[in-house]
Amino acid sequence: AAGVIQSPRHLIKEKRETATLKCYPIPRHDTVYWYQQGPGQDPQFLISFYEKMQSDKGSIPDRFSAQQFSDYHSELNMSSLELGDSALYFCASSLDRGASYEQYFGPGTRLTVT
Amino acid sequence: DQQVKQNSPSLSVQEGRISILNCDYTNSMFDYFLWYKKYPAEGPTFLISISSIKDKNEDGRFTVFLNKSAKHLSLHIVPSQPGDSAVYFCAASAASGGGADGLTFGKGTHLIIQP
Repeated sequence: AAGVIQSPRHLIKEKRETATLKCYPIPRHDTVYWYQQGPGQDPQFLISFYEKMQSDKGSIPDRFSAQQFSDYHSELNMSSLELGDSALYFCASSLDRGASYEQYFGPGTRLTVT
Repeated sequence: DQQVKQNSPSLSVQEGRISILNCDYTNSMFDYFLWYKKYPAEGPTFLISISSIKDKNEDGRFTVFLNKSAKHLSLHIVPSQPGDSAVYFCAASAASGGGADGLTFGKGTHLIIQP
């Protein structure tokens, strides 16, 4: 079965640079979520989108922004990168937020800021 | 403030025996609970979930029990197999709020199945 696709899988950036992470949800899934997992930490919810509209907001820094496009893929834009942004970034998708609450995760993008 | 707590960082169980992973939560608004399994360098894999209107949900070798009054849930794996060795995350959602709510995760329990 098709899963959530994230690209790139690995990304190395320098401090103060920008980064864009992409997420392609499972076909027919209309809701996308972004999470950040620091070393040895649990995943922390950043932001979610339902039908291309922002739905819920977690601990997303102001330097980050995200959007969901008409084909339901989503992009997380990160600016003025800091060393502390080094983490695994997961995207998850679900179908019909009102009927199914299970979120299916992608393999993650490992961001390293040097 | 950790709203979902997994107090055992690791658990070692013999192959074929029962594995019991525990999770406690503090937020009374949580009404949907999920367990995920995670291997290194991979995303969390959904295992099983339970709504707060139920006290048990079973799927093959996996059973989740929910005790709302104690704000406690547990995942039972019977029988345990070597492939079950992974980190298990408990997650919770205030799903009935109607939004695409993010999940709140515990810190995970590393389950080790010994041959």
